[in-house]
Amino acid sequence: ETGVTQSPTHLIKTRGQQVTLRCSSQSGHNTVSWYQQALGQGPQFIFQYYREEENGRGNFPPRFSGLQFPNYSSELNVNALELDDSALYLCASSLSFLSGRPGELFFGEGSRLTVL
Amino acid sequence: GQQLNQSPQSMFIQEGEDVSMNCTSSSIFNTWLWYKQDPGEGPVLLIALYKAGELTSNGRLTAQFGITRKDSFLNISASIPSDVGIYFCAGLYQTGANNLFFGTGTRLTVIP
Repeated sequence: ETGVTQSPTHLIKTRGQQVTLRCSSQSGHNTVSWYQQALGQGPQFIFQYYREEENGRGNFPPRFSGLQFPNYSSELNVNALELDDSALYLCASSLSFLSGRPGELFFGEGSRLTVL
Repeated sequence: GQQLNQSPQSMFIQEGEDVSMNCTSSSIFNTWLWYKQDPGEGPVLLIALYKAGELTSNGRLTAQFGITRKDSFLNISASIPSDVGIYFCAGLYQTGANNLFFGTGTRLTVIP
């Protein structure tokens, strides 16, 4: 069974640039969620994708966008980077909420983004 | 938005001791979960609770879903060095999206 994999693991960008982070979900999982974890904080929900559509979003501006592909992998795109976007970005896969086990997420190791 | 407060913020305990930590919220949740995060890793699910008052165990770990639906507790018995890490509670209100609200975390250090 293949777990959740994310790339890149680390990256450095400058303010105003754009970034794309990638995630491959665990085998058999059709739902992908993205979380932002600032240093010393708990993860914060960005959005979730199911059947290639966004079906839930946290309190993040539109410059945070995403995609899900037919193979359930996903991308997180952030435009016009700001210094406060520096964080660990976590991807989590799960069975659909219809599975009856909501909240049971399998996280990747994350992509650490530094914005200078 | 919902704020989850965990206590204590950090703990230093001797190997073999029992550990208790808790999480409180200003809002009610339908699901409570506990995750553990090791350095350089993503969180790993320890226990999920789906019903108010539910008490669930996973090995040396026991967690409870508070009756008020605004709190949850995690106990670890007979701690071992590999219990070191940051423990996060998480609450889920709505079904349909995995919009978890995570707590502030409890950092556990186990002294051999």
